[in-house]
Amino acid sequence: NAGVTQTPKFQVLKTGQSMTLQCAQDMNHNSMYWYRQDPGMGLRLIYYSASEGTTDKGEVPNGYNVSRLNKREFSLRLESAAPSQTSVYFCASSGDVYSGNTIYFGEGSWLTVV
Amino acid sequence: QQQVKQSPQSLIVQKGGISIINCAYENTAFDYFPWYQQFPGKGPALLIAIRPDVSEKKEGRFTISFNKSAKQFSLHIMDSQPGDSATYFCAASEYNNNDMRFGAGTRLTVKP
Repeated sequence: NAGVTQTPKFQVLKTGQSMTLQCAQDMNHNSMYWYRQDPGMGLRLIYYSASEGTTDKGEVPNGYNVSRLNKREFSLRLESAAPSQTSVYFCASSGDVYSGNTIYFGEGSWLTVV
Repeated sequence: QQQVKQSPQSLIVQKGGISIINCAYENTAFDYFPWYQQFPGKGPALLIAIRPDVSEKKEGRFTISFNKSAKQFSLHIMDSQPGDSATYFCAASEYNNNDMRFGAGTRLTVKP
């Protein structure tokens, strides 16, 4: 059981380039998330999708777009990368809200924008 | 501004000692308070969680203490072990809300 799988693991971008982070979960979860982790800032929610076909902004959505491709997959796109987007990105998922808010995280994607 | 404030930023404890990490929140609508553990190179994983209808929850060596009136909660790790060395995040959300807010994290080092 893979859980939450995200790719790529590492990426270096030049300022202004675009890229998409891919995420898939095999736990049949309705909700999926993208977080970024920065030193001293903890984990901050970029976007989330409560169910297939819906997406909502989190705490730090500027500079990002997302697509909930189907129930399993949720991608994060950087249209024009900036050095401020250098971070570790985590995709996550959670089940029915009535069963609790346990969020399961992927292993992270390390992105450097130069 | 951070809705969940966590301290200390780093903590060094001797093997067998007690590790204590504290968090405070502002939003009185929060009613679900998990702690996540993260090892280097891995994603965070749920360690233990509490809801405000109880003041304490214990799972093995890990205990959450919750003070609703003070809007504070803490993680206690008893008999700390080197294998507990990790970064710990507190978090808070409304129970049926997808927007989980995390503290800044505490890097715990347990010395042998």
